[in-house]
Amino acid sequence: EPEVTQTPSHQVTQMGQEVILRCVPISNHLYFYWYRQILGQKVEFLVSFYNNEISEKSEIFDDQFSVERPDGSNFTLKIRSTKLEDSAMYFCASRTDRGLSYEQYFGPGTRLTVT
Amino acid sequence: AQTVTQSQPEMSVQEAETVTLSCTYDTSESDYYLFWYKQPPSRQMILVIRQEAYKQQNATENRFSVNFQKAAKSFSLKISDSQLGDAAMYFCAYRISYGGSQGNLIFGKGTKLSVKP
Repeated sequence: EPEVTQTPSHQVTQMGQEVILRCVPISNHLYFYWYRQILGQKVEFLVSFYNNEISEKSEIFDDQFSVERPDGSNFTLKIRSTKLEDSAMYFCASRTDRGLSYEQYFGPGTRLTVT
Repeated sequence: AQTVTQSQPEMSVQEAETVTLSCTYDTSESDYYLFWYKQPPSRQMILVIRQEAYKQQNATENRFSVNFQKAAKSFSLKISDSQLGDAAMYFCAYRISYGGSQGNLIFGKGTKLSVKP
């Protein structure tokens, strides 16, 4: 069964550094998402991406964040200058829009630790 | 704005017994989707069950079923014959369904389910 993959599984970085989190969505999917989950808290929407541009973004997704689909398979989330409060689990998700198939398939997540 | 509330931070059930997890939501929309996701210690989010708001019939998936009360904006998850592998964090989520939205999910805070042998 096809699945969403994410790399790395765990990333440790120093405050102020740039990080890129990578995701490979399911190949025939059209919509892509990033969510984050601070430890012990609920999952929060960051951004959605469709047709090579951002569709929606939350208040969390400020100028420090950017997304890109550089090569038609990867979907990346970049944090330009990480802060301690960016420490969280970051989930990528994707979905197709064929008929009623609105399920979002989640990747296993990348644990980001900012020190 | 839409919100999802899970009022039970933790629940416990005996193996083979039945447990119900509660979820309420607030929306002014009439057409939407509701989901239950399971997050085991590995932290990968796994879809358990989905309900379309326009369907009156409650969704079922093997041992998992929902009680969807649209007027009350309630969407509870019932797990029958609980197994040790059911132990996880369970998130209720809402998604609007009209075409202009890209369908981002709005999650509740989750209920941590423990299963006792």
